[in-house]
Amino acid sequence: GNSVTQMEGPVTLSEEAFLTINCTYTATGYPSLFWHVQYPGEGLQLLLKATKADDKGSNKGFEATYRKETTSFHLEKGSVQVSDSAVYFCALSPYSSASKIIFGSGTRLSIRP
Amino acid sequence: DTGVSQNPRHKITKRGQNVTFRCDPISEHNRLYWYRQTLGQGPEFLTYFQNEAQLEKSRLLSDRFSAERPKGSFSTLEIQRTEQGDSAMYLCASSLVSVLAGANNEQFFGPGTRLTVL
Repeated sequence: GNSVTQMEGPVTLSEEAFLTINCTYTATGYPSLFWHVQYPGEGLQLLLKATKADDKGSNKGFEATYRKETTSFHLEKGSVQVSDSAVYFCALSPYSSASKIIFGSGTRLSIRP
Repeated sequence: DTGVSQNPRHKITKRGQNVTFRCDPISEHNRLYWYRQTLGQGPEFLTYFQNEAQLEKSRLLSDRFSAERPKGSFSTLEIQRTEQGDSAMYLCASSLVSVLAGANNEQFFGPGTRLTVL
């Protein structure tokens, strides 16, 4: 079946620290991979995506590379800001259906000034 | 604002009552999805529509749940005989799927309806 596993939170970092949130997936076929973000009091929004192996998604200084050999899609940012405090969800959309998105359980990130 | 909208934003009901939520997708989007998110978890897929046709339903969608999209535009999700375990955030999303877009399925989410069953 299809599933996503991401590192548990909460993760607390100081401003300007390096961020990694690990994500691995299980899928049949060739899924599209996503990171979504939910800022406090706001709706879920797409942060970045990658649709095939070795693609790198990037947005707002965040990056993630689709690694088929390790079935991973780790989220990284070189220097986090207080405004990055949010809940981050790793997710996949199975290629075969391109319909539902399967989400991980989320990682809460808090950045200290 | 031309994003996905959901109404109501909050609903408190007593166990055993019926509730109905509405979702208005982005106007040109042909797919509409419903998800449920409980506290501390990621959203879980419930069902989706392509235009007015309901194409997939999760086994999470018990017989008490029904969703419709009668004219291929807005959708409603009804829960009959609510139970305390139905308390959650119900999210709606929409996307445009076409030959050009292929399997690149970017979904745009609404703000959600928070249901509390007492």
